[in-house]
Amino acid sequence: DAGVTQSPTHLIKTRGQQVTLRCSPISGHKSVSWYQQVLGQGPQFIFQYYEKEERGRGNFPDRFSARQFPNYSSELNVNALLLGDSALYLCASSDPGTGYYGSNQPQHFGDGTRLSIL
Amino acid sequence: RKEVEQDPGPFNVPEGATVAFNCTYSNSASQSFFWYRQDCRKEPKLLMSVYSSGNEDGRFTAQLNRASQYISLLIRDSKLSDSATYLCVVYTDKLIFGTGTRLQVFP
Repeated sequence: DAGVTQSPTHLIKTRGQQVTLRCSPISGHKSVSWYQQVLGQGPQFIFQYYEKEERGRGNFPDRFSARQFPNYSSELNVNALLLGDSALYLCASSDPGTGYYGSNQPQHFGDGTRLSIL
Repeated sequence: RKEVEQDPGPFNVPEGATVAFNCTYSNSASQSFFWYRQDCRKEPKLLMSVYSSGNEDGRFTAQLNRASQYISLLIRDSKLSDSATYLCVVYTDKLIFGTGTRLQVFP
């Protein structure tokens, strides 16, 4: 079975531009979460979506937005890119578990999109 | 104070050694606990969930002390392939990752 897939794998943008990252969860997983990982740090939670609705949001500015589609795939959008947005963006999917829309379940991560801002 | 704190290391140990990682968390309402492993420039992968009674998976043992808000991971008989960063993860209303502890096992 295919794992979590993300595209693109690498991306270079300049300050002020906009970017869209894509994620397809493991088949059967309805929960998708996005994380930002800056070099030397652990992943930081950005969003969680379950059944196409936002179920959780981390401490990120409104320049960050996301959505989930009927097939449970997801997009992360970042507007007005800053140098500090350079990071590895990870998507994870999970089983729903017994509550919390799967956010408290083990997360299965994709390979990530490495975003560089010049 | 960080919500999840880990010693960043690196821990440099010889093959066959036993190594222990510690992690503390600040929110007493935290409900689920995990250890993830992340290889250099790769995605995190679940190593094991951590249960209140403690749990073991082969050479790996995880323990949770809710009273002290402390989680540990013990690796016995270290292998070269254990070299990686080990991330302590806590669920409160979202998953919170520590900064990770880097382990380097040498021959």
